[in-house]
This record gives sequence, structure tokens and C-alpha cells, in this order.
Amino acid sequence: KAGVTQTPRYLIKTRGQQVTLSCSPISGHRSVSWYQQTPGQGLQFLFEYFSETQRNKGNFPGRFSGRQFSNSRSEMNVSTLELGDSALYLCASSSSPDYEQYFGPGTRLTVT
Amino acid sequence: GENVEQHPSTLSVQEGDSAVIKCTYSDSASNYFPWYKQELGKRPQLIIDIRSNVGEKKDQRIAVTLNKTAKHFSLHITETQPEDSAVYFCAASTGANNLFFGTGTRLTVIP
Repeated sequence: KAGVTQTPRYLIKTRGQQVTLSCSPISGHRSVSWYQQTPGQGLQFLFEYFSETQRNKGNFPGRFSGRQFSNSRSEMNVSTLELGDSALYLCASSSSPDYEQYFGPGTRLTVT
Repeated sequence: GENVEQHPSTLSVQEGDSAVIKCTYSDSASNYFPWYKQELGKRPQLIIDIRSNVGEKKDQRIAVTLNKTAKHFSLHITETQPEDSAVYFCAASTGANNLFFGTGTRLTVIP
């Protein structure tokens, strides 16, 4: 099976702009979780979607949002970008809740 | 929310020696504890996991132990090899795919 894929792999945006990142899970996986990785804060949970419903949300401001489509693909959106949003955004897919999560390669977002 | 602490932050061992990384968690509801290995510029890779109804799990040179009473779990790597060099993350979850990660341990295996 193909692994988790994320697009784009690299992105440069300006403060105040918005950005949309995409994640395609492993075929058959219905759960997608998003994480932010930075040198200072490490790996932090953003939110998780299962069957198009957000089931859990981490401690991030409302500028961070997401959605999941009927084919399990997921997108996350960050509005009004700040310099501190520069990070590696990782998504992970799982066949169902409480199962192993497999990560995609990530999207490296740089905000200038 | 869940708080996961991980020690040490860096660890250097001679090739062939063992390495141990320890984590503690705060939420007694956590019941799933995976370990991930992340090489430079690559995605985190699941290497082993354990659930709260099990005290120990082994997979070749890698083992994980869990002490629910003390709320701590550990990763043990035996007969370390240079390719084991990477950053290792522990994590805890209540089983809803919301992983809370430790701060990572940079393991260096010296040939």
C-alpha cells in the first residue's frame, strides 16, 4: 500500500496570508490526525478527524482549522499566518481510533 | 491535558551497548504508548507500541516496558548499531488518536 502523502512538501508564505495543506491517508484508513513540529515546542497535536468528524482538538487558536472529506483525505487551514506558525506540519493516518498512526513526510511551512 | 516527560534529552552509547530512554505521563486515562524514531529530515516512524493491559513488549532488539502504577514507560534498545542513531519520541494517548509526545531523545551510537 502507498504510504501517507502530503502536499505541498514546502511552502513559503507571508504574515497575514492563509494556507491550506493536504493529506491523503493510507488506503482504507479513516482517521487522520495533524501535528505541528517545531524545534522549540516539539511535536504537538492539532486535531483528529474520523469519518469526516473532528473528534479531538489540541490547544491551538481558532486560526487553525481542518476538515475531512468522504474519501478520508484531509486538509488543514491556517488563517492570518504569524511568524510563529513556521513549522513542519505532519499528518498521520490510522485504520480506526485507537490504532497505530503512520506519519506522512510533512509540509514545511515558512512564514516570512 | 496529558503531559509527557522524556529523559534523557541526549544519549551517546558505544556500538553494541544498550540504550534506555524513559518517559512519564500524567493522565491516568492514557492507555496507548507508542515510540517513534525520527531520522534527520524524515518522518517519524513507529517502532514499537504498548497498551495499558500489557507490561512488556519485545520486537527483536527493541523492548518497551510499562508501569501503570508509577505512570512511566521505557524504551530499551540492545546491541545498538550506528543506524539506530536518531531522535526517539515517546507518546501517550487516551486511545482517540490524539498523541501527546515527549520532547525527544537524540541517540548517538558511536562505532
